[in-house]
Amino acid sequence: DADVTQTPRNRITKTGKRIMLECSQTKGHDRMYWYRQDPGLGLRLIYYSFDVKDINKGEISDGYSVSRQAQAKFSLSLESAIPNQTALYFCATSDSGDRGGYTFGSGTRLTVV
Amino acid sequence: DAKTTQPNSMESNEEEPVHLPCNHSTISGTDYIHWYRQLPSQGPEYVIHGLTSNVNNRMASLAIAEDRKSSTLILHRATLRDAAVYYCILRDRDNAGNMLTFGGGTRLMVKP
Repeated sequence: DADVTQTPRNRITKTGKRIMLECSQTKGHDRMYWYRQDPGLGLRLIYYSFDVKDINKGEISDGYSVSRQAQAKFSLSLESAIPNQTALYFCATSDSGDRGGYTFGSGTRLTVV
Repeated sequence: DAKTTQPNSMESNEEEPVHLPCNHSTISGTDYIHWYRQLPSQGPEYVIHGLTSNVNNRMASLAIAEDRKSSTLILHRATLRDAAVYYCILRDRDNAGNMLTFGGGTRLMVKP
């Protein structure tokens, strides 16, 4: 099983719909992150969480919200999806000492039509 | 934040060494140099990181210039599976909130 699991892998949704992307990890890491990647570009940070009670906005948090339900689970929600949120979304984890770097999931490809 | 500059793309032949450069002329004394790679249709993968001394692991070697203003990721023997986008990223050792910030990276193409 993957260390960082993202569901769904692919999703097509309509404009205005609420959608949740889920991430779970078996690494035992404290820190979790959500990134977005647009075609041909690098990743941009949406939200991050250093522990269950800690949630922080990243570079591009507008239009998104998150929930850290447990140490191992970190969900990203689009309250009212719009077409320019069509992108590849990645969840990542790291431990508090960043030993070994970040571990990324395989991504969720989201299309908003 | 200190920035990095990498070539947009590079080509290599299979089974030959590859040297991927990264310039970071504004690096601070507490910035670690991190390398990640992203294979097609996958999430980024940690490769290696270092502060001042050269580093080796099973995936690659990292050569850091004496003045730390540049570094080179070395793949000793490229395979077709090494075709990916390689990202060079600086992270402040003393800033616990310093996130990974991705630039455009270098797209490595490996020819058989």
